[in-house]
Amino acid sequence: GQQLNQSPQSMFIQEGEDVSMNCTSSSIFNTWLWYKQDPGEGPVLLIALYKAGELTSNGRLTAQFGITRKDSFLNISASIPSDVGIYFCAGQPLISSGSARQLTFGSGTQLTVLP
Amino acid sequence: DTEVTQTPKHLVMGMTNKKSLKCEQHMGHRAMYWYKQKAKKPPELMFVYSYEKLSINESVPSRFSPECPNSSLLNLHLHALQPEDSALYLCASSLRDREVSGYTFGSGTRLTVV
Repeated sequence: GQQLNQSPQSMFIQEGEDVSMNCTSSSIFNTWLWYKQDPGEGPVLLIALYKAGELTSNGRLTAQFGITRKDSFLNISASIPSDVGIYFCAGQPLISSGSARQLTFGSGTQLTVLP
Repeated sequence: DTEVTQTPKHLVMGMTNKKSLKCEQHMGHRAMYWYKQKAKKPPELMFVYSYEKLSINESVPSRFSPECPNSSLLNLHLHALQPEDSALYLCASSLRDREVSGYTFGSGTRLTVV
């Protein structure tokens, strides 16, 4: 199946620092989604991206859909303790006929924010 | 209503039990999904229902049996599970299959098989 490489796998940062994580693929994607998951809960959508080059913000979060359509990044500015959790990218790969496959998830980035 | 509601939140079952997980949404979404998620791993797709018909079964063992009684409800019937089936089971819905607009997850059912 389609593979998404998400990095880093984990991050330990000080409160107030900025964070950046990214996902890359060898295939073209037509949609990128970024989710946050708290322990024992389902993933919650943070940002959705639908066009190559699109840059979208949601409060302290900013995400971009790479121009090559094979990558995306998520930045979190001025981190706070409640940012702790696992962040997943998810993409919708295109197939040669132009139609889309099911969502593919990255392996996740575990974020720890130290006071 | 912009939620996907899953019940129960926690379930402990023996290997000979039969139980069911339930999922409900009232957003008018016509695609509903079951995922299995192990700790610190991404969700893995199990089943996709599109307009109440099963459209994808990702080679899931027959001890998992999905059912979509109507456009708002999705069930997952469990029978003769193994301890390795213990996981967080997530339901999701979207406007239509492979249209990720409004793709929403429920909070999940934490299943423990003993």
